[in-house]
Amino acid sequence: KAGVTQTPRYLIKTRGQQVTLSCSPISGHRSVSWYQQTPGQGLQFLFEYFSETQRNKGNFPGRFSGRQFSNSRSEMNVSTLELGDSALYLCASSAQVSSYEQYFGPGTRLTVT
Amino acid sequence: AQKITQTQPGMFVQEKEAVTLDCTYDTSDPSYGLFWYKQPSSGEMIFLIYQGSYDQQNATEGRYSLNFQKARKSANLVISASQLGDSAMYFCAMREASTGGGNKLTFGTGTQLKVEL
Repeated sequence: KAGVTQTPRYLIKTRGQQVTLSCSPISGHRSVSWYQQTPGQGLQFLFEYFSETQRNKGNFPGRFSGRQFSNSRSEMNVSTLELGDSALYLCASSAQVSSYEQYFGPGTRLTVT
Repeated sequence: AQKITQTQPGMFVQEKEAVTLDCTYDTSDPSYGLFWYKQPSSGEMIFLIYQGSYDQQNATEGRYSLNFQKARKSANLVISASQLGDSAMYFCAMREASTGGGNKLTFGTGTQLKVEL
């Protein structure tokens, strides 16, 4: 069974631009969560989607948004990029809500210059 | 207050020895789950072990065990017979039912483990 895939793996953007990151969960998994990891703030929850509905949202500005498609693939978008958005963005998939196992993808490393 | 506290920024252990990574948590929710993840330098988070708040026995998964002391609100990870491949960052995380269910995890700051020959 293929694992969680994230594209692209690396990305360099300029301040003010916008970016879209993609996550494909494990086949059959319906829950996708997104996390931001930075040296200063550590791992922080962004949002979670289950069956195309946002179930939970972290404490991030409205520039961060996401969605989930009918095939469970998810995208997150960051508009008007700031230098502080440079981070590793991790996606995790679970079979169900409140699953005891979440499988993480390799992450997308975003650098904002 | 920090929900998950990992007080050991870095740890060293000799190969084949056991090591304990500390984790304390803070929640008033009676229903919660505790997780440990390993993050090698490649960046991917690898699930290691899970303990539910109502589980009576400590969780074990191969060389990993979770020393769950509910009254002390601690969930320490024990790795037995350390291997060089265990060198990585280790994160403790918690999921609380009161956050609306779902899979939202709150992570600690991590412990960098280095296994030496």
